[in-house]
Amino acid sequence: DAGVTQSPTHLIKTRGQQVTLRCSPKSGHDTVSWYQQALGQGPQFIFQYYEEEERQRGNFPDRFSGHQFPNYSSELNVNALLLGDSALYLCASSLAGRNTEAFFGQGTRLTVV
Amino acid sequence: QKEVEQDPGPLSVPEGAIVSLNCTYSNSAFQYFMWYRQYSRKGPELLMYTYSSGNKEDGRFTAQVDKSSKYISLFIRDSQPSDSATYLCAMTRSGNTPLVFGKGTRLSVIA
Repeated sequence: DAGVTQSPTHLIKTRGQQVTLRCSPKSGHDTVSWYQQALGQGPQFIFQYYEEEERQRGNFPDRFSGHQFPNYSSELNVNALLLGDSALYLCASSLAGRNTEAFFGQGTRLTVV
Repeated sequence: QKEVEQDPGPLSVPEGAIVSLNCTYSNSAFQYFMWYRQYSRKGPELLMYTYSSGNKEDGRFTAQVDKSSKYISLFIRDSQPSDSATYLCAMTRSGNTPLVFGKGTRLSVIA
């Protein structure tokens, strides 16, 4: 079992650009959540997808959007990148209703210059 | 006041010491409490989760929850250099709600 896999591992983008991050959940999991972890901070919840729909959203602007595919994999899109978007973006997968047993991927480190 | 407070450390202890890591929280609706370990440049790894108040033990790790004080702890016995990592506490109201994390405490166990 490969666990939760994220791609790419690292990414450098310029202010104003757009970025897409990808996540494949752990085998058997149907729910994907995305978190942003700034340097020296704990992860902050962005949104959660289940059955291809956004079910919950944290306090993030509309520049952050996502998608879930029929195979449960997910994408996180960020438009009009700001320097403050530089962070580690974590994908977590779980069974529906089991956020307490979420598995995290290794993250994508995004640097905006 | 942040919902979850955690001393960021760093905390440095000698090998074999007992380590105590703590978090406080303000939201009395939290019912589930988790501890994650995060090695440098890696994603968080779930160590333990506890429902409501009480203790839970798993090998060298013991998690304690005191809901009356809104205080949770993780104890690591016989600490090893391989325990050197950042430890994140997280909590949530239910299995359907998102996790709320502390800042993490950076631990170094010195051989």
